[in-house]
Amino acid sequence: AQRVTQPEKLLSVFKGAPVELKCNYSYSGSPELFWYVQYSRQRLQLLLRHISRESIKGFTADLNKGETSFHLKKPFAQEEDSAMYYCALRSGNTGKLIFGQGTTLQVKP
Amino acid sequence: DADVTQTPRNRITKTGKRIMLECSQTKGHDRMYWYRQDPGLGLRLIYYSFDVKDINKGEISDGYSVSRQAQAKFSLSLESAIPNQTALYFCATSDSRLAGSGEQFFGPGTRLTVL
Repeated sequence: AQRVTQPEKLLSVFKGAPVELKCNYSYSGSPELFWYVQYSRQRLQLLLRHISRESIKGFTADLNKGETSFHLKKPFAQEEDSAMYYCALRSGNTGKLIFGQGTTLQVKP
Repeated sequence: DADVTQTPRNRITKTGKRIMLECSQTKGHDRMYWYRQDPGLGLRLIYYSFDVKDINKGEISDGYSVSRQAQAKFSLSLESAIPNQTALYFCATSDSRLAGSGEQFFGPGTRLTVL
């Protein structure tokens, strides 16, 4: 079964602390994974995709096929990073996405 | 700017009523999706449409129906609303020419409360 799991509903850190939002997936085949973000009073939007191997707003995510994980990391959290973060898996060759349960990141001053 | 819009933005209704949520887009995308968001459950796919003649059920389609009136319009209906359909509903679009990108573009959401 195709599934995305984000084990933490809420992650609270202080400004300047490192952040790691966990994402594990279940997928038979070569996965394509994404992180979406929803800031307060804004729309859900794409943050980054594993295939691009890019760093967006200081965030990176590495696909670990052995551990079936795609954790989102940032070395020094900023208050403006506070948001809901969703990990998503692309299903097959379609544009359909399977989302995890979401993690709320709260960065305290 | 090309956009995804949803109407209404908020709706309160009673059990048993028929409700329609509408989604329009000016992005020129061929694919459209309806999700519901519930705390602790994330986003779950209700229905999706890859073009006007193609409608597919998602993981939680029971109690819902959809209509793709045009490439730019995708409506979600609750034939007889029940309280556990209280949720935040999102419409999204994507471009099949960019299917590999995985990017979907979301509307602002409709908050539906069923009393």
